[in-house]
Amino acid sequence: AQSVTQLDSQVPVFEEAPVELRCNYSSSVSVYLFWYVQYPNQGLQLLLKYLSGSTLVKGINGFEAEFNKSQTSFHLRKPSVHISDTAEYFCAVSDRNTDKLIFGTGTRLQVFP
Amino acid sequence: GAVVSQHPSWVICKSGTSVKIECRSLDFQATTMFWYRQFPKQSLMLMATSNEGSKATYEQGVEKDKFLINHASLTLSTLTVTSAHPEDSSFYICSAPTRIQETQYFGPGTRLLVL
Repeated sequence: AQSVTQLDSQVPVFEEAPVELRCNYSSSVSVYLFWYVQYPNQGLQLLLKYLSGSTLVKGINGFEAEFNKSQTSFHLRKPSVHISDTAEYFCAVSDRNTDKLIFGTGTRLQVFP
Repeated sequence: GAVVSQHPSWVICKSGTSVKIECRSLDFQATTMFWYRQFPKQSLMLMATSNEGSKATYEQGVEKDKFLINHASLTLSTLTVTSAHPEDSSFYICSAPTRIQETQYFGPGTRLLVL
């Protein structure tokens, strides 16, 4: 079974500052890793994913994440955030044999002017 | 890009009534769809896997007789909350995986409020 831990429930940050949202996972099998963003009262939008290959993954809206197998982490980063990045961010994992996604508890990113 | 729709986007009903939520994949076929439930300020919890042409697979702790799932075609799955109660009030989200780069597309969600 897989599980996902997002250590920070809330991350406040000023506009144009860098940010890192942490994600750790546990799994006994090889997995795919994802970051999704959810704006208020909306569904989920895929930011980026790691399937294989390069461990540094670039996504939409200037976000990137790095897969670290030894640390079982997939932290999300952005060098300079905007007010519009304020949202809930979910890290998720799925094993390579099913399409089931297991989500972390989410991190609320709040960007202040 | 691929789109998944849900209908209705929100519904208010009286306790004891049944509510049907539709999930459609608009430009691709999905033999499998997933249903999630999200309580306020919480994460998405997988409820069940909807399988076209066969019975749905429910996650542990989810009552299959209360949450009826029917995958009527390759583009439509429905979730029926039977005899809804206030504790069933939640945000219900469906998703459909594609075989393209292991991508899943999520519907916009249905907010259910049971009075």
